[in-house]
Amino acid sequence: KQEVTQIPAALSVPEGENLVLNCSFTDSAIYNLQWFRQDPGKGLTSLLLIQSSQREQTSGRLNASLDKSSGRSTLYIAASQPGDSATYLCAVVDGTGKLIFGQGTTLQVKP
Amino acid sequence: DAGVIQSPRHEVTEMGQEVTLRCKPISGHNSLFWYRQTMMRGLELLIYFNNNVPIDDSGMPEDRFSAKMPNASFSTLKIQPSEPRDSAVYFCASSPWTSGSETQYFGPGTRLLVL
Repeated sequence: KQEVTQIPAALSVPEGENLVLNCSFTDSAIYNLQWFRQDPGKGLTSLLLIQSSQREQTSGRLNASLDKSSGRSTLYIAASQPGDSATYLCAVVDGTGKLIFGQGTTLQVKP
Repeated sequence: DAGVIQSPRHEVTEMGQEVTLRCKPISGHNSLFWYRQTMMRGLELLIYFNNNVPIDDSGMPEDRFSAKMPNASFSTLKIQPSEPRDSAVYFCASSPWTSGSETQYFGPGTRLLVL
């Protein structure tokens, strides 16, 4: 059974700092891996999608990497801003097409 | 595009009552997903449809839960009878699924409180 784990559960950093969020999964047989952002009381917004054949994806200040063989992904946020404060969720699409989510990392960026 | 639309946004009901949650997917998307989010269990997939047909309902917790998709633009998730442990945020998502590699677009969720 696929399990997705995110570390740390919570993170607080000063504005301007570069940071890394970690995600690990137990079964390497995935279609893709996605990173989502969730603001309090809101739905999820897709940030980046990495296909199983890819190693990384970039969007603005965000860079996500994927190492399928080791079952790991990282989300790198450069020059963090208070507006980046949110919960970041990692999810993998398993062999049946279902999204399996981690518990998320709650990020607070202090001005 | 209006995105995925869910109604109601908030629902407070008493134990034993029937609850119906509604979802309108993004036009042209052929896959629809229902999720439940709680502090204890995080986000869990309840059921998903492809071309209006239920594909996997293994996440539906009990027979009290049922979901339908009568057409490509509407789906319902029903809980009957509701219990306090059903209190959660229920999300609907849709996707233009062709190979399983497309992202899912989430609605704003329905916050359900069962007293």
